[in-house]
Amino acid sequence: QLQLQESGPGLVKPSETLSLTCTVSGASISRTSYYWAWVRQPPGKGLEWIGSIYYSGSTYYNPSLKSRVIESVDTSRNQFSLMLSSLTAADTAVYYCAAHFDSQSFDYWGQGNLVTVSP
Amino acid sequence: QSVLTQPPSVSGAPGQRVTISCTGSSPNSGASYAVHWYQQLPGRAPKLLIYGNNNRPSGVPERFSASRSGTSASLAISGLQAEDEADYYCQSYDSRLSDSVVFGGGTKLTVL
Repeated sequence: QLQLQESGPGLVKPSETLSLTCTVSGASISRTSYYWAWVRQPPGKGLEWIGSIYYSGSTYYNPSLKSRVIESVDTSRNQFSLMLSSLTAADTAVYYCAAHFDSQSFDYWGQGNLVTVSP
Repeated sequence: QSVLTQPPSVSGAPGQRVTISCTGSSPNSGASYAVHWYQQLPGRAPKLLIYGNNNRPSGVPERFSASRSGTSASLAISGLQAEDEADYYCQSYDSRLSDSVVFGGGTKLTVL
């Protein structure tokens, strides 16, 4: 049974870069076939996929966010991370990390990390 | 704007059956991919409810079922209970967007 836990700041300033980390327990990132994903949800709105990464480092991103997103994986710490640059108020959201097999459902979710973009 | 369209809200009385639709925006957008459904209780993370068009993960009551036809899918909840009041999202992939993950806009279920 996988468990995912996000960590990172709750408040960031406009134009800065957000950095979030997801710690995985219950399995080794490099020994499963899961893709490790980030999904966000602005207050009162729906879910938006940000991107996914495989333990090998292969990534694919939401085309609408691709220019501002970098995802990485640290197999030694069993963590994966998100960096989102050039923040604006529109990036205020709860950010979830999640796990899914290739082209399949999101089976496991973290509890979420609320990030507010404000001066 | 989601490429998967859901009604913003549905409602039903306890014991009734409700359905939530999820319609793809293009015949070629995701016909080869399965549709999955998530339940999000207030203040909680989404939880996988249905995977692979019509399969329930362990622990999901049989009251929840789903079907798929072409680029449309639907979630049915029978024997509605107060605890079912939540937001429901469909999810798939879009071959037109480099196989990107796509979510429906979400449907708020109100139990009257």
